[in-house]
Amino acid sequence: DTGVSQDPRHKITKRGQNVTFRCDPISEHNRLYWYRQTLGQGPEFLTYFQNEAQLEKSRLLSDRFSAERPKGSFSTLEIQRTEQGDSAMYLCASSSYSTDHNEQFFGPGTRLTVL
Amino acid sequence: KNQVEQSPQSLIILEGKNCTLQCNYTVSPFSNLRWYKQDTGRGPVSLKIMTFSENTKSNGRYTATLDADTKQSSLHITASQLSDSASYICVVRLNTGFQKLVFGTGTRLLVSP
Repeated sequence: DTGVSQDPRHKITKRGQNVTFRCDPISEHNRLYWYRQTLGQGPEFLTYFQNEAQLEKSRLLSDRFSAERPKGSFSTLEIQRTEQGDSAMYLCASSSYSTDHNEQFFGPGTRLTVL
Repeated sequence: KNQVEQSPQSLIILEGKNCTLQCNYTVSPFSNLRWYKQDTGRGPVSLKIMTFSENTKSNGRYTATLDADTKQSSLHITASQLSDSASYICVVRLNTGFQKLVFGTGTRLLVSP
């Protein structure tokens, strides 16, 4: 069990640029989640995939945000035309319903800084 | 609105001492409650303590209690160690749909030598 991995760990970009983050879940987990966490706050839900299907999207996920999980394995989160308010830690988590009451396992996060 | 509130916001204790962190929630429908530990700049890690009714669960030096009537949970840490310094987040799962998680803002614990 290698855990959930995320890439990159840190990203610094200029306002208006596009960025893409990748998440590799635990291999046998069919559920994948994206969260955003700002300093001093708990994570906020962004979106949820079951296999390749995106089943839930938060209203926080504006039209500049898009997430995919094309083959039901890794997932990508893209932010277009970044704004300074997008600066945050982006966390990915995965779970399996059969494992410990669907406990979510988190990756180390990608810290985004928009200048 | 589903909310999870934690207190205190921050806490400093001496190494070896005990401490108790509080969590109040207004979440419905409630499924279960877990506690996570988050080191600075890292993702949350489960303390492997889940409560879903009025009960007490322990994992090593961590003990969590849940009072479903008052919608309160507490996390007790005994014999604190320097490595316990982190944020502790109370997380409540909704018993609906994809079982969304609602996170508290965390209690930042600093264990001082």
